[in-house]
Amino acid sequence: DGGITQSPKYLFRKEGQNVTLSCEQNLNHDAMYWYRQDPGQGLRLIYYSQIVNDFQKGDIAEGYSVSREKKESFPLTVTSAQKNPTAFYLCASGGQFNYGYTFGSGTRLTVV
Amino acid sequence: EDKVVQSPLSLVVHEGDTVTLNCSYEVTNFRSLLWYKQEKKAPTFLFMLTSSGIEKKSGRLSSILDKKELFSILNITATQTGDSAVYLCAVGIQGAQKLVFGQGTRLTINP
Repeated sequence: DGGITQSPKYLFRKEGQNVTLSCEQNLNHDAMYWYRQDPGQGLRLIYYSQIVNDFQKGDIAEGYSVSREKKESFPLTVTSAQKNPTAFYLCASGGQFNYGYTFGSGTRLTVV
Repeated sequence: EDKVVQSPLSLVVHEGDTVTLNCSYEVTNFRSLLWYKQEKKAPTFLFMLTSSGIEKKSGRLSSILDKKELFSILNITATQTGDSAVYLCAVGIQGAQKLVFGQGTRLTINP
């Protein structure tokens, strides 16, 4: 079955640590996206990539980094520079005309 | 700055009621408007609208777009407890290949 897989589902991070969230898709989609969801704030775009080896900052990129070495994979690193990383992170991918996304099940990150 | 605003942010109704969720937008280059339902984790696609005045229907759910007044509504008739979810509105931007999301409306259906 085609789909998009995020891992882990839950992640705990100590302050000062970097953590990497995984996102893999087998839908052959060119574009991939990372969103952050906080209560009452909807989805905010962190980074997106339209093609391998290329990515653009979204609205809230500070404290995050990404890579796109393979079409199927778009990992997100939450660095120690992100001051308030506790949130629900959603990865998505879109087809050529990007009319809609397919979402992963999300990773809930908590700083302890 | 591209902006999508949903209202109300939260809505509690009784089973069997009809609800209307609103989505207004201000974007530089409109391509499409999409509605998603988010129950626990991954949002699931409901509708995509690109033309004004054409209603999209799926069972008890329907949606329509007004490109002149820059808004869309999502109607749910004869609501059921399974309709309880966060409903997200998003606008696709021409050329930018990304979606801008609203804050979402949390809908709770009480039995």
